Amino acid sequence: GESVGLHLPTLSVQEGDNSIINCAYSNSASDYFIWYKQESGKGPQFIIDIRSNMDKRQGQRVTVLLNKTVKHLSLQIAATQPGDSAVYFCAEIPNFGNEKLTFGTGTRLTIIP
Amino acid sequence: NAGVTQTPKFQVLKTGQSMTLQCAQDMNHNSMYWYRQDPGMGLRLIYYSASEGTTDKGEVPNGYNVSRLNKREFSLRLESAAPSQTSVYFCASSERQGVASYEQYFGPGTRLTVT
Repeated sequence: GESVGLHLPTLSVQEGDNSIINCAYSNSASDYFIWYKQESGKGPQFIIDIRSNMDKRQGQRVTVLLNKTVKHLSLQIAATQPGDSAVYFCAEIPNFGNEKLTFGTGTRLTIIP
Repeated sequence: NAGVTQTPKFQVLKTGQSMTLQCAQDMNHNSMYWYRQDPGMGLRLIYYSASEGTTDKGEVPNGYNVSRLNKREFSLRLESAAPSQTSVYFCASSERQGVASYEQYFGPGTRLTVT
């Protein structure tokens, strides 16, 4: 079946550096992608989303890049802070008329002081 | 404005017992969801409700039932709990913002252990 996967399960970054979290997806027809952040003991929180007709979207300190040619998604976090330590999930909606999200397994980001 | 609330926060059941997990949202969203999250894994959709009175199976519906009681509340029932249902359960809600966003808002989760 179709799946959303992540290249690395863990990532450690020095405080103040930029971090990049990657995600590969297998459904070339996927329409919409979301990045979520999950802190320990809490539910996921929306970070940023991107539609398949875009290749880049920026938010506050975060940028999502979408490469449809190689079916790859990345989340860039600028000037990381201790509060950025969390598990990050990418999720996709296979088609835009359907609101069901398919989640990847997650990457744990640890910020080193 | 509490967002999405879930009760209970923690629960321990014996195999074969039943229980209902409660979820409520105060954002007037049409869509609500139940997910489970197992260690080292992402969230998997159990059931989904696009509107009051409708429900749809997700990826892992076996062993669960749901009720969309009204627009605010969406409950998940385990009729006969099994150890394989030990997990953290998340409820979420969403309202499609035109064609621009499918952001889902999540509750804090219920940690369920079945012994």
